[in-house]
Amino acid sequence: KNEVEQSPQNLTAQEGEFITINCSYSVGISALHWLQQHPGGGIVSLFMLSSGKKKHGRLIATINIQEKHSSLHITASHPRDSAVYICAVSQTGGATNKLIFGTGTLLAVQP
Amino acid sequence: NAGVTQTPKFQVLKTGQSMTLQCAQDMNHNSMYWYRQDPGMGLRLIYYSASEGTTDKGEVPNGYNVSRLNKREFSLRLESAAPSQTSVYFCASSTRTGGYTEAFFGQGTRLTVV
Repeated sequence: KNEVEQSPQNLTAQEGEFITINCSYSVGISALHWLQQHPGGGIVSLFMLSSGKKKHGRLIATINIQEKHSSLHITASHPRDSAVYICAVSQTGGATNKLIFGTGTLLAVQP
Repeated sequence: NAGVTQTPKFQVLKTGQSMTLQCAQDMNHNSMYWYRQDPGMGLRLIYYSASEGTTDKGEVPNGYNVSRLNKREFSLRLESAAPSQTSVYFCASSTRTGGYTEAFFGQGTRLTVV
């Protein structure tokens, strides 16, 4: 079992829909990261959070430390949101700053 | 701001050829990493460098070597490329912010070994 699990693996939505991507983890963490990767592009950090909720534009990230679960929400989705969304965690107790990655969620938003 | 710069962006190698992927960061980060990304799998750590002059193996180090040339640069070398090394490679650097890791990634190198 992977230490970081994402669901769904693939998601197709119509423009304007509310989207939720989930991430569960099984290790102790100091922070959880949501990353975005456009087709053929690099990886950019969307959020880094250790508790509660963060919002940036139409994107909202929440984390429940007790349940070891995080969600990424996209409101009023748009075709330009089509990308791979990756959850990663910074594991506590490690000697370095290594991240553990989920396998990603491929999101396609159709006009 | 350049951030993390990787070269080349694309490369095709024949089996047995060697090459070096270059990575440089201008953010004065101590930690740097090389990952590979394969379909259906999360990014997997090949090697990392916690500070200048140190390197350590990650999950999938076989077939690779690295050099932390200075604080800015961290290169990945394939001595004898194999088709199994066809992948997208990402370099990253990180810093500790407020007690946890903030990572920055390069644009990736798409490598095909034929």
